[in-house]
Amino acid sequence: GESVGLHLPTLSVQEGDNSIINCAYSNSASDYFIWYKQESGKGPQFIIDIRSNMDKRQGQRVTVLLNKTVKHLSLQIAATQPGDSAVYFCAENIWGDSSYKLIFGSGTRLLVRP
Amino acid sequence: DGGITQSPKYLFRKEGQNVTLSCEQNLNHDAMYWYRQDPGQGLRLIYYSQIVNDFQKGDIAEGYSVSREKKESFPLTVTSAQKNPTAFYLCASSRTATSSGNTIYFGEGSWLTVV
Repeated sequence: GESVGLHLPTLSVQEGDNSIINCAYSNSASDYFIWYKQESGKGPQFIIDIRSNMDKRQGQRVTVLLNKTVKHLSLQIAATQPGDSAVYFCAENIWGDSSYKLIFGSGTRLLVRP
Repeated sequence: DGGITQSPKYLFRKEGQNVTLSCEQNLNHDAMYWYRQDPGQGLRLIYYSQIVNDFQKGDIAEGYSVSREKKESFPLTVTSAQKNPTAFYLCASSRTATSSGNTIYFGEGSWLTVV
């Protein structure tokens, strides 16, 4: 079936270290992926996206890697800061019923230790 | 400021009562969406609308209704038929839903609690 899932529900890292959050997807036809950050009690905030014709995309302190062979997506955060503590979701844009829809994974909570 | 505005932020519903959550966007987006989020869970799609006067059911539409009379507005009604409505509701929009690569942007959410 179509699903997007995450390997680690909680990730704890030391401030200043790099963080890697992983995501597996099952729909090989998906052509667009987005990472969102959600702070407690707030709506998800767009971080970075990537199309399926790319395998890497960089933003400010964040990098998304896409491995279509194994249907795996990862978000790398460099020099993790306390403000990065949040739940991170990957989302897969899939086509169905004449429109695109985002399918979300269950999320990974990132905890940054001071 | 451009963005998506949801109201109210907190809402309490009595048993058997219908409540409506407001969502307004000034981004000139064609597509709008409603998601439900339960504590510690991901987002599940309730309804979506590709264009004015059109909407489709998502994965968990039972007990909910929507309307799309204006491009900028997509209210969600949680009816008494929804047996477990306590959740965090998120409205979102994107430029279009008929081509890929269009980022979906979210509002700040509305908390609904049954009392």
